[in-house]
Amino acid sequence: QKEVEQNSGPLSVPEGAIASLNCTYSDRGSQSFFWYRQYSGKSPELIMSIYSNGDKEDGRFTAQLNKASQYVSLLIRDSQPSDSATYLCASQIQGAQKLVFGQGTRLTINP
Amino acid sequence: ETGVTQSPTHLIKTRGQQVTLRCSSQSGHNTVSWYQQALGQGPQFIFQYYREEENGRGNFPPRFSGLQFPNYSSELNVNALELDDSALYLCASSERQSMNTEAFFGQGTRLTVV
Repeated sequence: QKEVEQNSGPLSVPEGAIASLNCTYSDRGSQSFFWYRQYSGKSPELIMSIYSNGDKEDGRFTAQLNKASQYVSLLIRDSQPSDSATYLCASQIQGAQKLVFGQGTRLTINP
Repeated sequence: ETGVTQSPTHLIKTRGQQVTLRCSSQSGHNTVSWYQQALGQGPQFIFQYYREEENGRGNFPPRFSGLQFPNYSSELNVNALELDDSALYLCASSERQSMNTEAFFGQGTRLTVV
């Protein structure tokens, strides 16, 4: 079992709709969770971090964390073509040095 | 722009050669981590440097080594290059804290081994 799992997609969403990206993790010691956006040929860009159960909103982005279910999600409201990218979910065990990444979900927003 | 810079951006090497990749961390950040990202995969942790010492290592062989300098910049060295070393190499800069540390990536170095 992979430590962090994501559906690789591609996930296709019409412009203006809500895109929902999901991630599960296996290590219950994971305390910090991050969503990165990666455009083709570019490096990952941090868009959200979440550390506590519940929702965290930043503009059109909402991250959700459920530690009991070991589940993290990212919602993108009013999806734009510029949101088309690969979204990487990462976890970090408290006090550990490394981020553990999923393989990423490729999201395409259709105009 | 994250303030993390990597050089070079692209590199082509021959199998068996050695390569050095460089990273300058974001201002105020004292920790540098290196990741390898193969095509279609998520980044894999190579190692981290803090206060000029290796501070955690992933599942990579000893031919992957590194350095951190007093100004917190860092180098990744790979000896005896293999074809499978072809990947995007990412440097991430962070400020070491006890909890909840966000890491910011440089633009990466695309290494091709032929």
